[in-house]
Amino acid sequence: EVQLVESGGGLVQPGGSLRLSCAASGFMFTSHWMNWVRQAPGKGLEWVANIKQDGSEKYYVDSVKGRFTISRDNAKNSLYLQMNSLRAEDTAVYYCARDDSIVGVPLDFWGQGTLVTVSS
Amino acid sequence: AIRMTQSPSSLSASTGDRVTITCRASQGISSYLAWYQQKPGKAPKLLIYAASTLQSGVPSRFSGSGSGTDFTLTISCLQSEDFATYYCQQYYSYPRTFGQGTKLEIK
Repeated sequence: EVQLVESGGGLVQPGGSLRLSCAASGFMFTSHWMNWVRQAPGKGLEWVANIKQDGSEKYYVDSVKGRFTISRDNAKNSLYLQMNSLRAEDTAVYYCARDDSIVGVPLDFWGQGTLVTVSS
Repeated sequence: AIRMTQSPSSLSASTGDRVTITCRASQGISSYLAWYQQKPGKAPKLLIYAASTLQSGVPSRFSGSGSGTDFTLTISCLQSEDFATYYCQQYYSYPRTFGQGTKLEIK
C-alpha cells in the first residue's frame, strides 16, 4: 500500500525556518518524481515544488524561489522541504504527493498533510 | 505561468443530477489536464488525468473531455459522496497551476 506521511509542521515566527519531511513507503520511491503542494486555510490548492527521481531537476513556484529548497534522500525513502524566510502567506497545510512517473500520471497519491503556521 | 479558470465557483445540485464543471487554460496545454476531488479535512484525490483518462478505482459516472484550452468534468448521476470541491490542474509546463476550485453543494 502506498503511504506518504508528512511531518515537521508547526508554529514559526515570520522570518524563521522549518523543515518538512515526507516518509514514503509501499512503492519504489526512486522511480517517481515527488511534489509538495500547499493549501492556505479556506483557500485552494497551490503546487509548490517538485524533484526528479535522482534529484537532478527541481522546479518551484515563483513565490517560494530562493526561500524554499526541495530535496530527497532515496536511501531513506524520504522527501524534504526546507523553508526559510517564512512569511505569513506561507501559512498552509503542506501535502507531499507522488507523480506516477512510469505512466505519466500527476499527483496520484497524497499524504495527509502537515500544518505550517507563520505568526508572531 | 498558465492561469486556470474554473466555472462555476460553486454549484448546487441534487442526488441523481448530471453536472458539468468547466476549466479554461490561459494558453494551450494539449491534454495535460487533471481533475481532483477534495472533501473537507482530507487530501485531494486524483479523478482524471490526460484530460479524459479515469484514474483506477474512480467510478465511471465521472468523465472528462477537452484539449487545448477548454476542458470539462462531468458527473453523470450525482451520489451523496460526490459533494465536495473539485480542482483542475495543468501539468503541461512549470509552474504547475490549479484552478480556483468548484464547490459542489447539496441543493
